[in-house]
Amino acid sequence: GENVEQHPSTLSVQEGDSAVIKCTYSDSASNYFPWYKQELGKRPQLIIDIRSNVGEKKDQRIAVTLNKTAKHFSLHITETQPEDSAVYFCADSTTGNQFYFGTGTSLTVIP
Amino acid sequence: NAGVTQTPKFRVLKTGQSMTLLCAQDMNHEYMYWYRQDPGMGLRLIHYSVGEGTTAKGEVPDGYNVSRLKKQNFLLGLESAAPSQTSVYFCASSRREREQYFGPGTRLTVT
Repeated sequence: GENVEQHPSTLSVQEGDSAVIKCTYSDSASNYFPWYKQELGKRPQLIIDIRSNVGEKKDQRIAVTLNKTAKHFSLHITETQPEDSAVYFCADSTTGNQFYFGTGTSLTVIP
Repeated sequence: NAGVTQTPKFRVLKTGQSMTLLCAQDMNHEYMYWYRQDPGMGLRLIHYSVGEGTTAKGEVPDGYNVSRLKKQNFLLGLESAAPSQTSVYFCASSRREREQYFGPGTRLTVT
């Protein structure tokens, strides 16, 4: 089956610095790559997504890049703030039916 | 709109007992999903449904059954609970190949 690997598992940055989380996938047919943010005790919520026909997508301080050849995609958060502290999950999908999630990255932004 | 709701929020079961978790959505989404979330393992798909009356197995279906008799509801059943099923269960819904909206989660402990 599909395998999504996510690194690092934990990440600490100083407020104002950038954070980068990387995921690799195995199924070359994957075509949809969402990123979710989960605060402690809360539900996962979508923060950004990208489809396979696009190489990069930005939304204010958040960006996602996709390299289909290398089968990896990354989340970039710039000018980090304490409220960015959370667990971030990447995922991928081929059919739109099944989603495969990475194991999560716990991001801590130090004020 | 309430979005995606789950009942109950917490439950403690003894080994061998059965229970049903209810997921409801009011967004008229075709697709619904059940995940379990365990520490360090991300979200793993148990079962999913692409429409009323249809269900399919996900990544970790053993020990669980589901039903989707109405479009807005997706039930997850545990016939004979085991300690390995202690987890947080999330329901989600979506349109085809669109973002998933998650419910608030159900924390289940099996003793």
